[in-house]
Amino acid sequence: GDSVTQMEGPVTLSEEAFLTINCTYTATGYPSLFWYVQYPGEGLQLLLKATKADDKGSNKGFEATYRKETTSFHLEKGSVQVSDSAVYFCALSDEGGSEKLVFGKGTKLTVNP
Amino acid sequence: EPEVTQTPSHQVTQMGQEVILRCVPISNHLYFYWYRQILGQKVEFLVSFYNNEISEKSEIFDDQFSVERPDGSNFTLKIRSTKLEDSAMYFCACSGTGEQYFGPGTRLTVT
Repeated sequence: GDSVTQMEGPVTLSEEAFLTINCTYTATGYPSLFWYVQYPGEGLQLLLKATKADDKGSNKGFEATYRKETTSFHLEKGSVQVSDSAVYFCALSDEGGSEKLVFGKGTKLTVNP
Repeated sequence: EPEVTQTPSHQVTQMGQEVILRCVPISNHLYFYWYRQILGQKVEFLVSFYNNEISEKSEIFDDQFSVERPDGSNFTLKIRSTKLEDSAMYFCACSGTGEQYFGPGTRLTVT
């Protein structure tokens, strides 16, 4: 079945450092890909998404590009802030999002001042 | 901005007891879901619900689980006879025509 593998955490960075969180997927069709973020004590929030190959999702300075050839959807940010400290989940869905989501294990990011 | 709410935020119950977890989805959304996350593990899909019936369920969603949309606003997950291994964070989600919106979760602790 479909699956998502993401980089194990935790990840600790200093403010203004460059962030990459790797995510690869296995799927039989052409899934939509998502990054969700969970701030302490809160639910999962959609950070960005891409629905087809070569699409780039972006939001709040974060970016991820849907790479079909490498089945990857790595999350990047050029300069992280303390407020970016959270758990990040990569996920896929067979449809645009109305089908079930298959999640990776989550990567906890801590940004120190 | 519309949001998904869940109650209670934390539920402690004894093994064998029934629990009902409640969710109020975003009002014009049509697709509803439950997921769970056992501590330290992946967020796992349990069930999806559309047009007043289950559209898909996972292997986890056995006969001990049921879902209901009793009144057009609430969406509930019932666990009939809880087991220790049901201890987890349970997330409700909903979607209209696109991405899913999640609630803050209910932490269920079975003792």
